[in-house]
Amino acid sequence: GQQLNQSPQSMFIQEGEDVSMNCTSSSIFNTWLWYKQDPGEGPVLLIALYKAGELTSNGRLTAQFGITRKDSFLNISASIPSDVGIYFCAGPSNQNAGGTSYGKLTFGQGTILTVHP
Amino acid sequence: DGGITQSPKYLFRKEGQNVTLSCEQNLNHDAMYWYRQDPGQGLRLIYYSQIVNDFQKGDIAEGYSVSREKKESFPLTVTSAQKNPTAFYLCASSIIGQGASEQYFGPGTRLTVT
Repeated sequence: GQQLNQSPQSMFIQEGEDVSMNCTSSSIFNTWLWYKQDPGEGPVLLIALYKAGELTSNGRLTAQFGITRKDSFLNISASIPSDVGIYFCAGPSNQNAGGTSYGKLTFGQGTILTVHP
Repeated sequence: DGGITQSPKYLFRKEGQNVTLSCEQNLNHDAMYWYRQDPGQGLRLIYYSQIVNDFQKGDIAEGYSVSREKKESFPLTVTSAQKNPTAFYLCASSIIGQGASEQYFGPGTRLTVT
């Protein structure tokens, strides 16, 4: 089945630094999603990408859909303490060639981000 | 406000007891999902349902049961057969259709079994 490999597994950075993380797949995805999970809470959708090569920003966050459709990248600029959490990438597990999704997602293992003030 | 609610936030049970976790959504989503998360780990799919009165096993369904009698509700029962039930449980929902794959999550229920 599909697998998503997310790296790095964890990051320890100083406040103000930029962060980069990526996700690679063994198969082609038509959609890439990036979530953030605060400690003790449910994941929140940050950015959704629907087209190869697409670059989308949400405040200090920027995500890109790789042109091979097998990878995606998330960058956080000028990190702040509230960026702490786990970042997950995800893609549809059962989307057909026509683009219809049947709902299931495959998740990466997550990147744990720690920001030191 | 539209969203997904899970209750309670914290749940404590004695070993050998069944326990049911609640999940309700008012987003009019067709599909609902249950995930398990262990400390420092990713999300593992327990069960999912794409339509009322139908559901499918996910990757770790053993020791769990679900029902989907209403579109808005997808309760999860952790049975005494589940060997390691202590975990953080997350419910999610999504629409199904062209280009749709975004799931929206509830706040989670942390279950502790002693």
